[in-house]
Amino acid sequence: DTEVTQTPKHLVMGMTNKKSLKCEQHMGHRAMYWYKQKAKKPPELMFVYSYEKLSINESVPSRFSPECPNSSLLNLHLHALQPEDSALYLCASSQDRTPPCEAFFGQGTRLTVV
Amino acid sequence: GQNIDQPTEMTATEGAIVQINCTYQTSGFNGLFWYQQHAGEAPTFLSYNVLDGLEEKGRFSSFLSRSKGYSYLLLKELQMKDSASYLCAVRLHGSGNTGKLIFGQGTTLQVKP
Repeated sequence: DTEVTQTPKHLVMGMTNKKSLKCEQHMGHRAMYWYKQKAKKPPELMFVYSYEKLSINESVPSRFSPECPNSSLLNLHLHALQPEDSALYLCASSQDRTPPCEAFFGQGTRLTVV
Repeated sequence: GQNIDQPTEMTATEGAIVQINCTYQTSGFNGLFWYQQHAGEAPTFLSYNVLDGLEEKGRFSSFLSRSKGYSYLLLKELQMKDSASYLCAVRLHGSGNTGKLIFGQGTTLQVKP
């Protein structure tokens, strides 16, 4: 199984809503990532988890709250988002032992904030 | 700051060879990656260079010169399905084998018949 599965594929939410994005992998990877990608732009790193601990937060606003319940799951909790937060949210995972340790990306959740 | 430059767009003919260049100026270096991304899909890993030289993988090759901060991705025997965005990404040093992967803006390649 070389897949990173993200749910939902599409999400429309209001600015007062609370929602969560989910990501799952069963490759035994101990590093997991959240990226944000706007149209025609490259992915931008938001968070990195290493061994279920948050290791990097790229100064992301607190309305985005990551959570890593176990080594296979990664969540992104959303609250009080703004329309400019509309984007494709990509989850990725990688092993951390033998280079290249490339990131495997999920198909993403396309988020629209109205 | 971190700076990774790639051409925005390129066009090539089916069956031809195309070279996509990437130059980088980053605070540290722990490997350079090339990813392919079709419209509306996830990026997929193509190649990795951490030492100078050429890495070949089927129709795709990638070259790195660390002293020049330069890499290229070479695609041979182009096929229509190679039309996609190609992303150059640098992993920053000090973060082990995981951590910060900084992407360039991507090069949109259009393959014409």
